[in-house]
Amino acid sequence: DQQVKQNSPSLSVQEGRISILNCDYTNSMFDYFLWYKKYPAEGPTFLISISSIKDKNEDERFTVFLNKSAKHLSLHIVPSQPGDSAVYFCAARGRGTNAGKSTFGDGTTLTVKP
Amino acid sequence: DTAVSQTPKYLVTQMGNDKSIKCEQNLGHDTMYWYKQDSKKFLKIMFSYNNKELIINETVPNRFSPKSPDKAHLNLHINSLELGDSAVYFCASSQTRVAEAFFGQGTRLTVV
Repeated sequence: DQQVKQNSPSLSVQEGRISILNCDYTNSMFDYFLWYKKYPAEGPTFLISISSIKDKNEDERFTVFLNKSAKHLSLHIVPSQPGDSAVYFCAARGRGTNAGKSTFGDGTTLTVKP
Repeated sequence: DTAVSQTPKYLVTQMGNDKSIKCEQNLGHDTMYWYKQDSKKFLKIMFSYNNKELIINETVPNRFSPKSPDKAHLNLHINSLELGDSAVYFCASSQTRVAEAFFGQGTRLTVV
């Protein structure tokens, strides 16, 4: 039962344009969402997060949007840079005893072309 | 100065062997985790410790046993290794059990 899905395995964009990475979830008990970036042969690094009480969170070039009714979140990167090329994972957490347990999607490989 | 370090980075071993992966964090975090990334690239949580206490124990075979001697260390011992155990294992830590996680570089385990 895959509760967090990233339906696009890969995305290619031109440098300077916007990158939009999508994530869907099925568990309505999830109330906190995170995005991680992963380079080859390295561990994931935290990028940005959003609580379910918000619908948008920004941090410099990165913005995460949350649509609770659609159980959908997206990560916007603008402008995209070649150094952004990596695998992006979205993750979701529940409440209470499940708050410490992150469920990950299977990742989207972003390639930003110079 | 690595924040979360795990050793070894690569581990090739035969079926039936017992092996350990070590993890140390120098961030002063209270919570540590072990994740497994299988061939389909899914990252799945295996265990989580908070202040040396086991708080998350997912459906993992008993052959896998975590050990936390102190807050800064969480080791993973695997008995009787099987082919299906081949994966990348990531250690991680977070300031609290609800904060974002900092990951180590991963240990690629190959069982032959």
